[in-house]
Amino acid sequence: DQQVKQNSPSLSVQEGRISILNCDYTNSMFDYFLWYKKYPAEGPTFLISISSIKDKNEDGRFTVFLNKSAKHLSLHIVPSQPGDSAVYFCAASPNAGGTSYGKLTFGQGTILTVHP
Amino acid sequence: EAQVTQNPRYLITVTGKKLTVTCSQNMNHEYMSWYRQDPGLGLRQIYYSMNVEVTDKGDVPEGYKVSRKEKRNFPLILESPSPNQTSLYFCASSSRTVNYGYTFGSGTRLTVV
Repeated sequence: DQQVKQNSPSLSVQEGRISILNCDYTNSMFDYFLWYKKYPAEGPTFLISISSIKDKNEDGRFTVFLNKSAKHLSLHIVPSQPGDSAVYFCAASPNAGGTSYGKLTFGQGTILTVHP
Repeated sequence: EAQVTQNPRYLITVTGKKLTVTCSQNMNHEYMSWYRQDPGLGLRQIYYSMNVEVTDKGDVPEGYKVSRKEKRNFPLILESPSPNQTSLYFCASSSRTVNYGYTFGSGTRLTVV
């Protein structure tokens, strides 16, 4: 039972354009969402997060949108750069208050390739 | 430097031979967790710990054991490894005082033959 789903295994984008990565979840108890980025031979690193009390959070080139009614979140990267090429994981937690309580469920990941 | 350290980075073992993957963090985090990464399945949580002597099962705990005797250490034990436990394993730590979820180690590539 995959409670967090990333249905696109890969995405290819031209440098300078927008990258949109999508994530769906099924568990209504999830109320805190995170995006992680992973390079080969390294552990995932935190990118951006959003609480269920918000519908948008921005950090530089990265924006996360949350649609609670659709149980859908997306990560926008504008403009995309070749260094953004990596695997992106979304994750969700039943975690009121914006901190990690330990139970963090990840999606399958999307491989983003940004071409120069 | 704040980090999560896991050892070894690579391990090849035979079916049934008990092994332990160590994990240590220097951030005084109360939460620690183990994940495995498999193609097409993403990261799946094996076990997590909320503090010393407090652990709980994640989504795929079968075949694994953990212990949290000290705050900084959270070893993963495979009592009788099988080939389906061949995977990339990540240890991670977190705190309720931060909002960035887990800080991950660099991973342990385990092959069971």
